[in-house]
Order: sequence, then C-alpha cells, then structure tokens
Amino acid sequence: DQQVKQNSPSLSVQEGRISILNCDYTNSMFDYFLWYKKYPAEGPTFLISISSIKDKNEDGRFTVFLNKSAKHLSLHIVPSQPGDSAVYFCAAKSKGGSNYKLTFGKGTLLTVNP
Amino acid sequence: DAGVIQSPRHEVTEMGQEVTLRCKPISGHNSLFWYRQTMMRGLELLIYFNNNVPIDDSGMPEDRFSAKMPNASFSTLKIQPSEPRDSAVYFCASTDSSYNSPLHFGNGTRLTVT
Repeated sequence: DQQVKQNSPSLSVQEGRISILNCDYTNSMFDYFLWYKKYPAEGPTFLISISSIKDKNEDGRFTVFLNKSAKHLSLHIVPSQPGDSAVYFCAAKSKGGSNYKLTFGKGTLLTVNP
Repeated sequence: DAGVIQSPRHEVTEMGQEVTLRCKPISGHNSLFWYRQTMMRGLELLIYFNNNVPIDDSGMPEDRFSAKMPNASFSTLKIQPSEPRDSAVYFCASTDSSYNSPLHFGNGTRLTVT
C-alpha cells in the first residue's frame, strides 16, 4: 500500500519556465511533508518542508503548496534552471505512532532543458 | 560540517559472502536511519536507532540483515550471507530529535551481489 504517490515518473521543462511536481498521499494522519532532491550517485538532500497547519511555504525559487482536503501537495520551481535537473522525492510523516518514520514517494525525474 | 559519511561507495561481492556497510552520522545527531533504495520499492526504512539503541527494525528484510551502533559516531549494516536480490543502494541518514528536523543522507553504498 503506497501511502505517498508521485504519479509522474518524469517531467521535462524549458529553462526559465515553471516546474510543477505533484504528490498525493492517502494517510490523513500525515502532518509534516518534505521534498528532497537527488542527483545521481549522491544521497537525497533536503529542499523544503511544510507543516499541515500551513498551505504554502516559500524558499527562494521553491514553493510548496499543501491542499489537505485533496491530500495533495506540489512543489513549484520558478524559474527552472538546468542545475535543477534531478530526481525529486516527496516524503511525509505523522506524530502518532512511529513519529520518526518518513514515508517516501518513488520520485519524479525533472529535466530542465537549456 | 562533514555530513553523513558512508563507506564503501561501491561494493561488489559474490553470493554467500558477508558484506558490511559503514556509516558515520553528523556529530551531535542522536538519530540514525538505514534506508535501502531499489527501482521496485523506492526508499525503504530498514532500521532506526535513537541514542545508539535500535528502536524499530521492522524493515529489516530477513535475519541475514543485522545492524549495530556501538557508539554515537558509528554504525554498521551487515548482510550475511548476501544474495543477488540484496543488490541495491543503501543509504544512512541522521538527524536530531526535533520532529521537524529533516534527515541528512550520506551518499550511499551501491551494493552488487553476483
């Protein structure tokens, strides 16, 4: 049972345009969400997070939007740059039970074309 | 900040051999995680340590897998005997005990069992 789903395995955008990466979740107990970025042969690196008490969090070119009623979050990158080309993972956790456990989506490969 | 350090970066071994993966977490972090990444299952949590004590090993696939954390600055993941289906990238990650603190990942060990 996949509790965090990234339904688009890949996405290609032009440099300077907006990249929108989507993530859906099924567990209504999730209350904290994170995005990680991964380059080949490296470990995932933390990008941005959002608590369920917010619906938007912004950090420079990166903005994460959370729609709790739809159990959906998205990562917007504006403007996209070739260096943003990487695999992006959505992850979620909940305070109840195993509050240390991050559940990851399978990732979306973003390619930003010059 | 040296980050999470894993060794070796690559390991190629024959079926039946013992494999030991090593991890040095970020100094001051009291939580350590071992993850495995495969194409089929994505990133899966294998085991979680808090203050050097194993808290959750429910993700360890079989008795062939074992993990130790003898002190705050070192952990090992051992597979004995190894099998071809163990081939994957194994990541170590650490964090402090704050709920909202992100995981910091090492660059992983790519294990190939032939």
